[in-house]
Amino acid sequence: DVKVTQSSRYLVKRTGEKVFLECVQDMDHENMFWYRQDPGLGLRLIYFSYDVKMKEKGDIPEGYSVSREKKERFSLILESASTNQTSMYLCASSPFRGQFTGELFFGEGSRLTVL
Amino acid sequence: GQNIDQPTEMTATEGAIVQINCTYQTSGFNGLFWYQQHAGEAPTFLSYNVLDGLEEKGRFSSFLSRSKGYSYLLLKELQMKDSASYLCAVKGGGNKLTFGTGTQLKVEL
Repeated sequence: DVKVTQSSRYLVKRTGEKVFLECVQDMDHENMFWYRQDPGLGLRLIYFSYDVKMKEKGDIPEGYSVSREKKERFSLILESASTNQTSMYLCASSPFRGQFTGELFFGEGSRLTVL
Repeated sequence: GQNIDQPTEMTATEGAIVQINCTYQTSGFNGLFWYQQHAGEAPTFLSYNVLDGLEEKGRFSSFLSRSKGYSYLLLKELQMKDSASYLCAVKGGGNKLTFGTGTQLKVEL
């Protein structure tokens, strides 16, 4: 089975802190994604990546950056956390670069609270 | 841009059939997807439609009409474990999936 592992299930940070959310997948997938999920707003795409060292902005990239130094790992970075970044963050991966079918494999999520 | 609409909540009875609708407006279309998400868990893939018509997979079926910008997910022989949020998602150009806000389905005895 595909496994997507997110480093922390729950985090509490202070406003202004730098936050790293780590995601690792074990199926050699080319595509990796970061979403945030908020009540009433659904899943919104922050950033995605087709390949190592490659990244593309999603629908809400402001206040975030990403890093993909290795194929299996995709990190989301909040340079200076703010309270409006309190959310559930979901990492996902999918196979077939250029032939993406739409089937995403999600991690369990990281619930971030910024105080 | 993309706009996806689905009802916020639905309630149905165990053993019954329920249809969850999804309408969408997109600047490009390369497929419509349904995901299931139980409370506190990650979404899991249910179905994929790229051509018009009905795709059946066990108790779940999904229908697509591209000309109408419309899809539905049909759940038969409802079970209590089907209580979950059902997410409609559209693949536009590129490798991006845009999700609707989800329909919370409650299955009652």
